[in-house]
Amino acid sequence: DGGITQSPKYLFRKEGQNVTLSCEQNLNHDAMYWYRQDPGQGLRLIYYSQIVNDFQKGDIAEGYSVSREKKESFPLTVTSAQKNPTAFYLCATSKDRGYNEQFFGPGTRLTVL
Amino acid sequence: GENVEQHPSTLSVQEGDSAVIKCTYSDSASNYFPWYKQELGKRPQLIIDIRSNVGEKKDQRIAVTLNKTAKHFSLHITETQPEDSAVYFCAASEYGQNFVFGPGTRLSVLP
Repeated sequence: DGGITQSPKYLFRKEGQNVTLSCEQNLNHDAMYWYRQDPGQGLRLIYYSQIVNDFQKGDIAEGYSVSREKKESFPLTVTSAQKNPTAFYLCATSKDRGYNEQFFGPGTRLTVL
Repeated sequence: GENVEQHPSTLSVQEGDSAVIKCTYSDSASNYFPWYKQELGKRPQLIIDIRSNVGEKKDQRIAVTLNKTAKHFSLHITETQPEDSAVYFCAASEYGQNFVFGPGTRLSVLP
């Protein structure tokens, strides 16, 4: 998990602004995931990608967008359409499709002012 | 879609006692069930996982059991230690895709 970086660690945004969260990995993993963590609700999957230039919606994709142009990078954009964006966002990777351990990044805490 | 419930939400045990956390899932297509531990201020880390073709798996003080018929799986921690104190999450997935996590159990091991 030391090979996954997320930036920034803390992010403040005004209402109505889009913001992009960075996730970079040097583990050569095929699959990457974005989760949102809220108190008492565990981790909820936003989007995941199992190969470059392909991604699928998770349970709470509305108001978010992603891209996977490079194997190493899976940025998440929180759009103004996301009604309650204040949360802790975790990026994760796994080796490939299948029964593999997910490794998590350190997370980004987003606060909407 | 898949729904994962987890109980209890909080659990306190005396050091040396056992702890059991139970999860239920709804989608019979789910076939991979990992457990993650998240210590305060840290990222989740995998502690054990089980596939649907196995009923039980053990790793030192940690074991997971799976009942496919009843659609539930449980985490068992024996001889608990203070460093076991953390939030534990179960998850269900079909072939490692679209993971659905439970809401978490906060375990406190009291000295």
